[in-house]
Amino acid sequence: GAVVSQHPSRVICKSGTSVKIECRSLDFQATTMFWYRQFPKQSLMLMATSNEGSKATYEQGVEKDKFLINHASLTLSTLTVTSAHPEDSSFYICSARRGLTTEAFFGQGTRLTVV
Amino acid sequence: GDSVTQMEGPVTLSEEAFLTINCTYTATGYPSLFWYVQYPGEGLQLLLKATKADDKGSNKGFEATYRKETTSFHLEKGSVQVSDSAVYFCALNNFGNEKLTFGTGTRLTIIP
Repeated sequence: GAVVSQHPSRVICKSGTSVKIECRSLDFQATTMFWYRQFPKQSLMLMATSNEGSKATYEQGVEKDKFLINHASLTLSTLTVTSAHPEDSSFYICSARRGLTTEAFFGQGTRLTVV
Repeated sequence: GDSVTQMEGPVTLSEEAFLTINCTYTATGYPSLFWYVQYPGEGLQLLLKATKADDKGSNKGFEATYRKETTSFHLEKGSVQVSDSAVYFCALNNFGNEKLTFGTGTRLTIIP
């Protein structure tokens, strides 16, 4: 099956610093990756769609200068939370689509805590 | 816009009980429907899917039927196990749109 690996699984950072989260497709090439944010007891909210070699498409209300997305290769997308604040604390999940299939494969998520 | 309304949890059942988690949707066109499961500490895994009306998705004893007339995709299992304890998400993907729209998730706990 297709495997998506997300790293780190947990990170604690100080307010004002930046943190990078990696999402890798281990056994397939992913032209499109998605970044979601999951609030406690709430659903996954799509933040942005990342296409290899081009700029990410952000959902309405998501600050693109705060949540920097880079999809430099067909197997790696990164999300950088810049100048993090406690309200950025959340569970971030990536997913990758293999080819033109409708199925998306998810990483295990990253729990970010900003103190 | 598209939306998914899912039965709120948490749901607690005894082992071997019958499970139903309700899911209804609002969407234009003909969406594909999915159930994802998230086990503790893990990412989401596709549990089952249906791509057109009256299709039944099934996997690991779970079933869901795409009902266009009631815009529903309820998840059922005849006899749950402790290992089924997880959070279940209903989702849709509309034709021509890569994005998944999720419900709020339902936490299921099965007690021995």
